[in-house]
Amino acid sequence: GAVVSQHPSRVICKSGTSVKIECRSLDFQATTMFWYRQFPKKSLMLMATSNEGSKATYEQGVEKDKFLINHASLTLSTLTVTSAHPEDSSFYICSALGPNRGRYETQYFGPGTRLLVL
Amino acid sequence: GNSVTQMEGPVTLSEEAFLTINCTYTATGYPSLFWYVQYPGEGLQLLLKATKADDKGSNKGFEATYRKETTSFHLEKGSVQVSDSAVYFCALSSNQAGTALIFGKGTTLSVSS
Repeated sequence: GAVVSQHPSRVICKSGTSVKIECRSLDFQATTMFWYRQFPKKSLMLMATSNEGSKATYEQGVEKDKFLINHASLTLSTLTVTSAHPEDSSFYICSALGPNRGRYETQYFGPGTRLLVL
Repeated sequence: GNSVTQMEGPVTLSEEAFLTINCTYTATGYPSLFWYVQYPGEGLQLLLKATKADDKGSNKGFEATYRKETTSFHLEKGSVQVSDSAVYFCALSSNQAGTALIFGKGTTLSVSS
């Protein structure tokens, strides 16, 4: 149980176009999801916290107009990279807080989406 | 604020060697500690966790003990295999509901036969 999927797993796009990445909790409802970005040989950088039915909370330094997050249902959050540029190329990972909420809640991670902007 | 520091890699070992990857943390309150593993081309998988001081997390031959006195959560395995080659991340949760994990920078382990 507690599986999180991401789609697509890999995407190549031209500079200036927009790309949408989906994150789904397959067998549980996730009111809170997180989006991370992973740079080569670097750790995961938290980009934003996505709460169902409300606006996402972005970390300092992350452009909310460039990285649009929508959490319209209890099982789906989307990240749209608008007007993508080569420097946006990265590995994007989402996670969802599992069904057992509270003090020791568990985060379940998606497999990641590799974005390459040409 | 809360942070996690883990040893820089890469770590290169021969099969059956002993593994230690150091992890220390800075946190207020009583955090939970985790080790995640990322195999090539894949997402993160939870390897083990500990939720309070002196707890030992273990899985697949890996162990880590939550040491509050030294603020450490070092990962160990007595005999590594080629299949253990991956990136290992130490992470911390503040245990405040709805907050994200804080990760170390990751340590790449390469095991040769």
